[in-house]
Amino acid sequence: EIVLTQSPGTLSLSPGERATLSCRASQSVSSSYLAWYQQKPGQAPRLLIYGASSRATGIPDRFSGSGSGTDFTLTISRLEPEDFAVYYCQQYGSSSWTFGQGTKVEIK
Amino acid sequence: QVQLVQSGAEVKKPGASVKVSCKASGYTFTSYGISWVRQAPGQGLEWMGWISAYNGNTNYAQKLQGRVTMTTDTSTSTAYMELRSLRSDDTAVYYCAIGYAAIPAFDIWGQGTMVTVSS
Repeated sequence: EIVLTQSPGTLSLSPGERATLSCRASQSVSSSYLAWYQQKPGQAPRLLIYGASSRATGIPDRFSGSGSGTDFTLTISRLEPEDFAVYYCQQYGSSSWTFGQGTKVEIK
Repeated sequence: QVQLVQSGAEVKKPGASVKVSCKASGYTFTSYGISWVRQAPGQGLEWMGWISAYNGNTNYAQKLQGRVTMTTDTSTSTAYMELRSLRSDDTAVYYCAIGYAAIPAFDIWGQGTMVTVSS
């Protein structure tokens, strides 16, 4: 099973700042099957990015994804108040999906 | 609009079983497989498995093999997830989800069902 490790565990930033979240895989992942989600307390996850770099419908362009192989990044160019949440990466491989443990983006 | 609506919260005793439903609307039910994902309190997301709504084929997470069964009822556009021999660490919010926009990810989620396992 492919293990996804996200870093940092918590990111403390101010509105307007840039957020860079990392997702590292224990073995190479197909970029087609790498996704990012945002989750707020009491809510279901929301798809942000699929295929490593494609934004899902309705997702603002301040969210971008990049990377390949074992290293992937989610970037939020300028944090808005509604962006403070937990973010998860996800991959599909060997007939199963796995998630990273999450990165919490909190207000500094 | 495309929607997944799940059944309500459950409280179960250790060793019991729980069956959570996920009713789909707004799309052709048999066109998409349904995945189940759970989240223990304060923890991350765990994929449990997938079922094809077209032919009932399943793929379960190895960790849950033998305890979980996923089924569908095409007449009511409803998917079910049954978990047996419940333990306290099965306490979690259980979600159903699909990749509606023909993408390899989950873009439509149910609202979640809280299952509490407690004696």
